[in-house]
Amino acid sequence: AQSVTQPDIHITVSEGASLELRCNYSYGATPYLFWYVQSPGQGLQLLLKYFSGDTLVQGIKGFEAEFKRSQSSFNLRKPSVHWSDAAEYFCAVGAPGYQKVTFGTGTKLQVIP
Amino acid sequence: DAGVIQSPRHEVTEMGQEVTLRCKPISGHNSLFWYRQTMMRGLELLIYFNNNVPIDDSGMPEDRFSAKMPNASFSTLKIQPSEPRDSAVYFCASKRDAGDSYNSPLHFGNGTRLTVT
Repeated sequence: AQSVTQPDIHITVSEGASLELRCNYSYGATPYLFWYVQSPGQGLQLLLKYFSGDTLVQGIKGFEAEFKRSQSSFNLRKPSVHWSDAAEYFCAVGAPGYQKVTFGTGTKLQVIP
Repeated sequence: DAGVIQSPRHEVTEMGQEVTLRCKPISGHNSLFWYRQTMMRGLELLIYFNNNVPIDDSGMPEDRFSAKMPNASFSTLKIQPSEPRDSAVYFCASKRDAGDSYNSPLHFGNGTRLTVT
């Protein structure tokens, strides 16, 4: 069965600082990987996805993520965080040929001035 | 594109009452998912439909929960009878399955916040 782990429950960064949110997955083959963002009172919005090809994926709002098979990781990065990036971020994994997408427990990002 | 529409946004009910949550997926999307989000358990998949047919309901917690999709534009999640531990935010999401299904991401509604007292 596929699973995903986000080891950091809560992260605080200063505005303008760089950000990296960790995600580790468990799946027997090459998975499909996603990052979603959730603002308070809202549903989840897709930031980026990885299916195959280039392991560095660019997303919306200046985010990127890198797929590292050897580490079973798909960490999310942003070079300079803005106050509006404060939200909860979810990593998710899917299996080819199967509809089900499994979400991590989320990382809540706080941005301080 | 109106997005996934869920109703109501908030529901407060007493234990033992029946609760019905509603979802209208994005037009043209043929897969629909119901998720439940709590602080303790995070985001859990309850059930999903493909072309109006339930495919996997293994996440439905117990028989008190049921879901239907009578047509491509409407789905319901019903809890009868409701219990305080059902309090959570319930999300509906839809996607278009076209060959390689993961070229189409999940689109989420804004959720229904359910409080059972």
